[in-house]
Formats: sequence, C-alpha cells, structure tokens
Amino acid sequence: KQEVTQIPAALSVPEGENLVLNCSFTDSAIYNLQWFRQDPGKGLTSLLLIQSSQREQTSGRLNASLDKSSGRSTLYIAASQPGDSATYLCAVNQSQGNLIFGKGTKLSVKP
Amino acid sequence: GAVVSQHPSWVICKSGTSVKIECRSLDFQATTMFWYRQFPKQSLMLMATSNEGSKATYEQGVEKDKFLINHASLTLSTLTVTSAHPEDSSFYICSVNHLRGRDGYTFGSGTRLTVV
Repeated sequence: KQEVTQIPAALSVPEGENLVLNCSFTDSAIYNLQWFRQDPGKGLTSLLLIQSSQREQTSGRLNASLDKSSGRSTLYIAASQPGDSATYLCAVNQSQGNLIFGKGTKLSVKP
Repeated sequence: GAVVSQHPSWVICKSGTSVKIECRSLDFQATTMFWYRQFPKQSLMLMATSNEGSKATYEQGVEKDKFLINHASLTLSTLTVTSAHPEDSSFYICSVNHLRGRDGYTFGSGTRLTVV
C-alpha cells in the first residue's frame, strides 16, 4: 500500500529565506507526482506536476525534483515571501488513477 | 488546465438531514470525477470515483448508501451526504483529471460541511 510522508509537518521561516519541503513515498511505481498549495479552508492549487520520467520541474521561484527510485521528491522555494504561507501537499498518482496525499507541510513565512 | 467549480463552499446542517454538493467541470467534459474528504490535520483521502452514466466506485470503508454520487452529465457530479451526523463534518473536495492523468489533477474549491 502506497504511503506518502511529508517532512517537516510545520515550518516557520523569515521572509527571504530559501527553503526545502520533503516528500517521500513507499512504492516507486508511480505515474506522476504533483505538488499542491492549500490555503486555510480553501481548495487545492496545483503548483507543479512531475511525470515519472522527469527529474524536475520549475515554475518561477518553485522547483520540484523527483527521485523515483529512492521514493523522494523535494519542493524548493526560493526567496520566500509572506504570501507563500500555506499548507503544501505532495501527492503521488498511481496507475489506478487516484492521488495518494501526504499530510502536508504548513509553512509560515514571517515578514 | 481544467477549471472546476464546487458549490456550496460551506454548509451547516442539522443532524439527520441530507446535504448535496455539486462539482462542475467548466471547460471540458469529464467522464470521471473524484471525491475526496479531509478531516482536520489529516491527509485528503479518496472517497469515490464518479463515472458518467454508470455507478460510482467507492473506496473501502466508504458507505455507498450514505454518500450518494450522481454523475448524470459530462460536466456535473453531485455528492449527497444522507442522514448526516456530526462525525460526517469534514472538508469535501472534488477533482477532475484532464487527459488521462498526463496533465495532473485540478481540484474544486472544496465544501466545509458542519453537522450540528
């Protein structure tokens, strides 16, 4: 059974810092991996999607990497801003077609 | 990517009543939609897969008679929580998968259900 773990559960940093969020998964047979952002009481916003054949994806200040063989992905946020404060979710897509989510990392960026 | 609209965004209901949540795919036809549930400080968990024109597929432990899913058109899926109880209070969110998973998933804005 696929399990997704995100570390740390919470993170507080001062504005301007670069930071890394970690995601690990137990079954490397994935179709792709997706990072989302969730604001309190709101839906999910897709940030980056990495196909199983890819190593990384970049969008603006965000960079996500994928090491499928070791079951790991990282989300790198450069020059963090208070507006980046949210919960970041990692989810793996297995061939069955549904997403397995981690519990998320709650990020707080202090001005 | 796809645009998904979910309504209502929040609802409070009395124990024993039923609540209907709508999920609409606004810009493409979705033969399949997914319903997730999220309890506080827990992961989003898939409840069921909604299939247009056929029965939904429920995950283990999800009562199909309690969580009624109707996917009558290619743009609309509804989730009805029947005879709601306080333990059903949760965040319900739907998603669609464009192009068979190659483009990832798009989620609705979610519905916060509180049963009192």
